[in-house]
Amino acid sequence: DAGVTQSPTHLIKTRGQQVTLRCSPKSGHDTVSWYQQALGQGPQFIFQYYEEEERQRGNFPDRFSGHQFPNYSSELNVNALLLGDSALYLCASSQEADTQYFGPGTRLTVL
Amino acid sequence: KNQVEQSPQSLIILEGKNCTLQCNYTVSPFSNLRWYKQDTGRGPVSLTIMTFSENTKSNGRYTATLDADTKQSSLHITASQLSDSASYICVVSERDYGGSQGNLIFGKGTKLSVKP
Repeated sequence: DAGVTQSPTHLIKTRGQQVTLRCSPKSGHDTVSWYQQALGQGPQFIFQYYEEEERQRGNFPDRFSGHQFPNYSSELNVNALLLGDSALYLCASSQEADTQYFGPGTRLTVL
Repeated sequence: KNQVEQSPQSLIILEGKNCTLQCNYTVSPFSNLRWYKQDTGRGPVSLTIMTFSENTKSNGRYTATLDADTKQSSLHITASQLSDSASYICVVSERDYGGSQGNLIFGKGTKLSVKP
């Protein structure tokens, strides 16, 4: 079992650009959650996908959008990047509301 | 407002020593509390999970306690090792109206450094 995987591991973008991050959940998991973690802070909830629908959303602007595919993998898209979007983006998968297993994260740097 | 506060913010101990990390929360209604270990630049890894009725849970050298009355939890690390150097994050789950797990509220973490 590969666990939760994320790609890419690192990414550098410039302000105004768009970015897509990808997540493959742990085998058997149907729910994917995305988090943004700034340096020295705890993860902040962005949104959660279940059955290809956004089920919950945190306090993030519409520039942050996502998608879940029939195989339960997920994408996080961020438009019009700002310097403040630089962070570690974590994906976590779970079987509905059970314990979330986190991926290794994608480190996004916006210049 | 639902909050999770952790202390200390950072901690340095010598290898082989014990330490205790604290977590206070105001989350209500409460579903469960988890402790995660996060190595620098990596995703968090679950150490323990406790529900309202559990007051202690162990995972090897890690022992978590929960006092649901005072809304406090602690994570005790015994005989620390260099590999214990990481951030330890306390996460409290709300209970939704259906009785299931709702939102997760994350603490900012305690950064532990174990020195030889």
